[in-house]
Amino acid sequence: EAQVTQNPRYLITVTGKKLTVTCSQNMNHEYMSWYRQDPGLGLRQIYYSMNVEVTDKGDVPEGYKVSRKEKRNFPLILESPSPNQTSLYFCASGRVSYEQYFGPGTRLTVT
Amino acid sequence: GESVGLHLPTLSVQEGDNSIINCAYSNSASDYFIWYKQESGKGPQFIIDIRSNMDKRQGQRVTVLLNKTVKHLSLQIAATQPGDSAVYFCAENSNTGNQFYFGTGTSLTVIP
Repeated sequence: EAQVTQNPRYLITVTGKKLTVTCSQNMNHEYMSWYRQDPGLGLRQIYYSMNVEVTDKGDVPEGYKVSRKEKRNFPLILESPSPNQTSLYFCASGRVSYEQYFGPGTRLTVT
Repeated sequence: GESVGLHLPTLSVQEGDNSIINCAYSNSASDYFIWYKQESGKGPQFIIDIRSNMDKRQGQRVTVLLNKTVKHLSLQIAATQPGDSAVYFCAENSNTGNQFYFGTGTSLTVIP
């Protein structure tokens, strides 16, 4: 089944404790992206990647890192999470940027 | 930065009626627009897209209209069904084409 998977789906952590949210797609897509979704703000793009080893900042990249060592994986790294990073995170992939398939989301709470 | 906004945050329609969801965008250089549907607890799902060189595009029960003069986008859903209840987002691409900006969403409720 063609899909975008994210892990974990739910995570509660404390301020400053490094964490990684994994994203994997099995559709051989070149484009991958991370978004955060907050009430009243919609989805905001954090980082995106056009292909392996190519990543670019989105609208809200501060406090996040990404890597694209393989085509199928695009992990989101929070080196020192803070409470303002509490949010619902979505990974997406697509053959091109305008054909994005979204994962199920990861709900992160930073206390 | 870009701004993509919606005229109405919530919309309630009777089952069987047509729904119209509106969206305003600010970047006249955007050349690609997409409507997404997000059901509760799920990620956004692609509905329909339109390029800037088009005014209208139709899908199955959905139509997207683009008015570049006033930078306005709308999604029309014909014969709205309970399964159409969701939050709908419009999105536009950036000048480079690779970054996308989403609106804040409109919550559509279909009344049986």
